[in-house]
Amino acid sequence: DTEVTQTPKHLVMGMTNKKSLKCEQHMGHRAMYWYKQKAKKPPELMFVYSYEKLSINESVPSRFSPECPNSSLLNLHLHALQPEDSALYLCASSQRAVSYEQYFGPGTRLTVT
Amino acid sequence: DAKTTQPNSMESNEEEPVHLPCNHSTISGTDYIHWYRQLPSQGPEYVIHGLTSNVNNRMASLAIAEDRKSSTLILHRATLRDAAVYYCILKGGAGGTSYGKLTFGQGTILTVHP
Repeated sequence: DTEVTQTPKHLVMGMTNKKSLKCEQHMGHRAMYWYKQKAKKPPELMFVYSYEKLSINESVPSRFSPECPNSSLLNLHLHALQPEDSALYLCASSQRAVSYEQYFGPGTRLTVT
Repeated sequence: DAKTTQPNSMESNEEEPVHLPCNHSTISGTDYIHWYRQLPSQGPEYVIHGLTSNVNNRMASLAIAEDRKSSTLILHRATLRDAAVYYCILKGGAGGTSYGKLTFGQGTILTVHP
């Protein structure tokens, strides 16, 4: 099974809402990632988790809060977002952070109203 | 992070070879050259990677210049399913400051005509 699953597929939220994005993999990978992709732009790295510990935070605003409760699961908690945060949020995993191949999920399309 | 430069778009006909170029003149000795592609409405997909030598796998071939300042992704027989955005990415090896990071450039939009 080489699949990374993400839920929900689509999410619409108001600026005062709190919501969470979920990412799951069962490949035994110990590195997991969050990327943000605006329309017609390349993905941008947000966070890297290695062995369930946050190893890279690309200066992401605190209204985005990542969590890695176990080696298979990665969450992204959202609070007080702005309309400009509307984007496709992609999760990825790899065997280790140094590994060559990252496996991406299909993404969650987020709209902030 | 070292940058890559790719053409904005390229076109090909089905069943013909496609050569996608990438310039990376500021590449460091420990940077690996990775290629990913993103099909419409999907997450990116790993294609191939290399360090110094040319590489082949079931999806494509990667030709790396001797000075490593450029590389070319070769799709030997393009199909309609190969229409995607192709990203050339430099990824640092273990111990570097870019360890674990994929920094995507603008990519090349490949159109394949039937």
